[in-house]
Amino acid sequence: DADVTQTPRNRITKTGKRIMLECSQTKGHDRMYWYRQDPGLGLRLIYYSFDVKDINKGEISDGYSVSRQAQAKFSLSLESAIPNQTALYFCATSGPTSGRAPDTQYFGPGTRLTVL
Amino acid sequence: QKEVEQDPGPLSVPEGAIVSLNCTYSNSAFQYFMWYRQYSRKGPELLMYTYSSGNKEDGRFTAQVDKSSKYISLFIRDSQPSDSATYLCAMPNNTNAGKSTFGDGTTLTVKP
Repeated sequence: DADVTQTPRNRITKTGKRIMLECSQTKGHDRMYWYRQDPGLGLRLIYYSFDVKDINKGEISDGYSVSRQAQAKFSLSLESAIPNQTALYFCATSGPTSGRAPDTQYFGPGTRLTVL
Repeated sequence: QKEVEQDPGPLSVPEGAIVSLNCTYSNSAFQYFMWYRQYSRKGPELLMYTYSSGNKEDGRFTAQVDKSSKYISLFIRDSQPSDSATYLCAMPNNTNAGKSTFGDGTTLTVKP
């Protein structure tokens, strides 16, 4: 089974609708992230959470909100979807590192969201 | 200006070619230099990383860091069609552990 799962994998919605994307992980990591990926713009961080009580805005948080329901679950909401939120969304996790190991991010399979 | 700039590509090479993928960065505090590989319709996965300057080899892949020039490269030897993917460089943020800065990615196609 995948360590980081995302639901749904694909979603088409209309402008103004509320959308929730869900992420679950079995890696036991404290840190979780939401990114969006657009052609030519790479991965951009939306929100991140270092534990259940810690939520931080990333570089493009406007129009998004998140909820960290448990260590293993991190949801991203679009309160009122707009067409320029059409993108590929990734959830990622990372854990504490030891010694000379860098922080490695483990990504889910992505959610392809289309807002019409 | 972005902290991490990656050669945009796309790159298309014949099977067996040597491939060079490159990034530059501006933050001299970066200590780890990572390469992620992303296959179509998948999330990125860590391919390899280096610490500080120098080379690191892993099979057909070699990661190279030149901190004096703030330039990193990933070389793929004897490229295979299975290497066709998007490659992203990434650098963890030392002052905010857990955050990484990613390049925009270079899409590579290796033709049989």
